[in-house]
Amino acid sequence: AQKITQTQPGMFVQEKEAVTLDCTYDTSDPSYGLFWYKQPSSGEMIFLIYQGSYDQQNATEGRYSLNFQKARKSANLVISASQLGDSAMYFCAMMRNYGQNFVFGPGTRLSVLP
Amino acid sequence: SQTIHQWPATLVQPVGSPLSLECTVEGTSNPNLYWYRQAAGRGLQLLFYSVGIGQISSEVPQNLSASRPQDRQFILSSKKLLLSDSGFYLCAWSGDTNQPQHFGDGTRLSIL
Repeated sequence: AQKITQTQPGMFVQEKEAVTLDCTYDTSDPSYGLFWYKQPSSGEMIFLIYQGSYDQQNATEGRYSLNFQKARKSANLVISASQLGDSAMYFCAMMRNYGQNFVFGPGTRLSVLP
Repeated sequence: SQTIHQWPATLVQPVGSPLSLECTVEGTSNPNLYWYRQAAGRGLQLLFYSVGIGQISSEVPQNLSASRPQDRQFILSSKKLLLSDSGFYLCAWSGDTNQPQHFGDGTRLSIL
């Protein structure tokens, strides 16, 4: 069965510093997609970044980058130059390419300190 | 551009009452549609997904049901709500598998 693990229930980072949010996954599928979402206190889910299991390069989107280590089954999110507006819950998720199974991790609450 | 609408934003219902939450998508055709529930401070649990009109797959057995009467309309229902149905319900759509899911603003459901 698929499973996403986010071992950091809460993280603190100083404004303007970089932070890494951990995500490990478990799947036997050869093809899958990994996603990161941000959920501010307002509740909306905001898509941040995507990594395909066959992508050779790590995904980047502005200040977000995904440190994808396939052999270790990890897909950590790196946020550079943290901003106060980055304070939110962050969810790692996985989608199977052969089906509709979309699994979310338990989330990490990031707090950016001024 | 594509947009997703979900309503109501907040709902307070008594135990045993029926439920109907509606979600519609604009700007795309034949989307994959999803209903999730998020308990307070927790991750998302996939409840239902649909790849086409009338096609509903349930991920967990529960007190809820879903229907897709039109291509871009997804409805979450219950005949008799339970206290355990309280939570934050999110509708989402995607263009295909391996595409990011885009979420509505959610409905906060409180059961009294």
